[in-house]
Amino acid sequence: EAGVTQFPSHSVIEKGQTVTLRCDPISGHDNLYWYRRVMGKEIKFLLHFVKESKQDESGMPNNRFLAERTGGTYSTLKVQPAELEDSGVYFCASSQQGAKNIQYFGAGTRLSVL
Amino acid sequence: GEDVEQSLFLSVREGDSSVINCTYTDSSSTYLYWYKQEPGAGLQLLTYIFSNMDMKQDQRLTVLLNKKDKHLSLRIADTQTGDSAIYFCAETSYSSASKIIFGSGTRLSIRP
Repeated sequence: EAGVTQFPSHSVIEKGQTVTLRCDPISGHDNLYWYRRVMGKEIKFLLHFVKESKQDESGMPNNRFLAERTGGTYSTLKVQPAELEDSGVYFCASSQQGAKNIQYFGAGTRLSVL
Repeated sequence: GEDVEQSLFLSVREGDSSVINCTYTDSSSTYLYWYKQEPGAGLQLLTYIFSNMDMKQDQRLTVLLNKKDKHLSLRIADTQTGDSAIYFCAETSYSSASKIIFGSGTRLSIRP
C-alpha cells in the first residue's frame, strides 16, 4: 500500500511567484492535513480536510495560502504570491476516519523562496 | 496555549541506550507520539501512547509517560547507527482537536 506522497520534493521559486504543492493521501483516508516547518522551528499545523470539506483552517497564515481538495482525494496547497518567509518544508498527513489521531506523514516538499 | 519542549541534541555511543525527554503543557492531552525523521525522509510515526497509559514497549523502544509531571520519554535500547535521526515529540488533546502539536525535535547522533 502506498503511503502519503507529495510532489514536488523540492521547489525553488522567486519572491512573488506562485507555487502549487500536491499531496496524495493514503487510499481510503478521509482526513488530510497540511503542516509546515519553517526555519528549523516546530512543525506547525495549517489545516485539516475531512473529505473535500475544510474542518479546521486555523493554522493558515494568511490569504496568500489556498488549499483545496476537490473530490475528496488529493489536495493542493497554492502559495500566491510567495514571500521569503514562506520558505520551509511543507508536510501532508492523512488518517482514517475512525482513527483520526493516528496521522501518517509524507516526505514533505521543501520550498525555497529566493 | 499548548507547548511541547525537548532538547535539541543528544549524542550516544553505539550499543548504549538513548533516552530522549520531552515535556508538554496541555493537561488535556489524549495521545502522545514519537515521530522519527531520517535525513531526506519524511516523518515516520515511531510509536504513540494514550494518556491513560504509563508505559508502552515495542521491541527496542520504551515509552514512559508521567502525566502528573507532563513528561514523556523515549528509550532506545542498544542504539545503532541506523537510529541516527531527528526525533519529534508530539501530542494531541481535547483542546487541540485533531491537530498535532510538535516539539522542535531532538537530533540523535551515534558515535562509535
